[in-house]
Parts: sequence; structure tokens; C-alpha cells
Amino acid sequence: SQELEQSPQSLIVQEGKNLTINCTSSKTLYGLYWYKQKYGEGLIFLMMLQKGGEEKSHEKITAKLDEKKQQSSLHITASQPSHAGIYLCGGPTDSWGKLQFGAGTQVVVTP
Amino acid sequence: NAGVTQTPKFQVLKTGQSMTLQCAQDMNHNSMYWYRQDPGMGLRLIYYSASEGTTDKGEVPNGYNVSRLNKREFSLRLESAAPSQTSVYFCALQDRVYTEAFFGQGTRLTVV
Repeated sequence: SQELEQSPQSLIVQEGKNLTINCTSSKTLYGLYWYKQKYGEGLIFLMMLQKGGEEKSHEKITAKLDEKKQQSSLHITASQPSHAGIYLCGGPTDSWGKLQFGAGTQVVVTP
Repeated sequence: NAGVTQTPKFQVLKTGQSMTLQCAQDMNHNSMYWYRQDPGMGLRLIYYSASEGTTDKGEVPNGYNVSRLNKREFSLRLESAAPSQTSVYFCALQDRVYTEAFFGQGTRLTVV
């Protein structure tokens, strides 16, 4: 079955610095979602990428899907305390849309 | 998310007890999912339902059963709870492939 691997597992970044999270699939992705989760809460949708080479931005968060549709990156510019949380990538593993997710990346933003 | 309601929010069970986690939606979406989230392991799919009356196993179905009797509700049942089932359970739903999936707030289950 397809696996989604995220790296790093966790990272600590100083407020104002940039950070990047990677998500790699063992198979070609039909689409790629990025979600954010704060401790004890549900998942908040950030964005979805579907086409090879696609890039989307929302506020200070940019996500890209590579041309081969096997790797995605999430980049946060000038991190803020509100960016702290767990970031998960996920996607449909078949044409029926069954969703699977990576293990998540925990982001800590320090003053 | 107001469109996805999970009950209960917290539960403590003794080993061997049974319980049903409920998930209800008011978004009229076709696909519904049950995940469990454990530290360091992310979200793992337990069962999913592509439409009313159909269910299929996910990555970790052992020890669970599901029921999708109508479009609105998708329940997850633990027949004989085990400590290994201590986890946070999330229900999610999706209208169709390649659209946003909406998640409930989760059920935090502890089995002692």
C-alpha cells in the first residue's frame, strides 16, 4: 500500500525564521492535502494540490507538488507562534479516493 | 467543524467493555472515514465508507466494526476494548475525490 513519509518528524524554529516540511510518496499521488492540527483539536484544511508542478499559497504558507507527483513540500515564511502545531500531509491512494496520511510533523515556534 | 459531530468527546473503558463511537454529518457528503491517531504514528485509517450501505477496511481494522446505515451517520464499534485501542479517534467526510475532507473534533478514548 502507498505510504506517505513526512520529514522532519519535528522541528523547532525561532519566530521569524522560515521552515520547510517534506512529504514523500512511494507511488504517484492522485492529489495531496495539507492539514494543520493543534493539540487536542481536529484537523484544519490548508490546501490541496493535484497537478504536477502545482504551487499554492495562503498567507505565509506555500505548498508545492513536484512534476512527478511523488513529493510535496510545505514552506512557511517568517514563522509566527500561530504556526505551531502538527502538520499532516495526506492524499487519495486510489481512484476511489480513500485517504491516507503521513505521520505528521510537529512544529514548535520559539520567541 | 460544525458539519461533523462526534460523540462522545471523551471516554474511559475497562478492558473487555464495548462501546460505539458515533459520527454524524449535515453536509450531505458521500464518503466517510474513521481514523485513529497515536503519537508518532499519525492518522491511520480504520474503516471507510464510500457511500451509504458500503464499508471497506482500512489499514488497521482489527478489533473494530462499522455501520453506515444511512448517508448521515457512520458509527465505529469496539466489541471488546483492549488497552491497545487507547487513542484519539477522528471521523472525516468528503463529498467526492479531490475535494477537501472535513474532520470532527475527535474522541479521546482510554482503555484501562
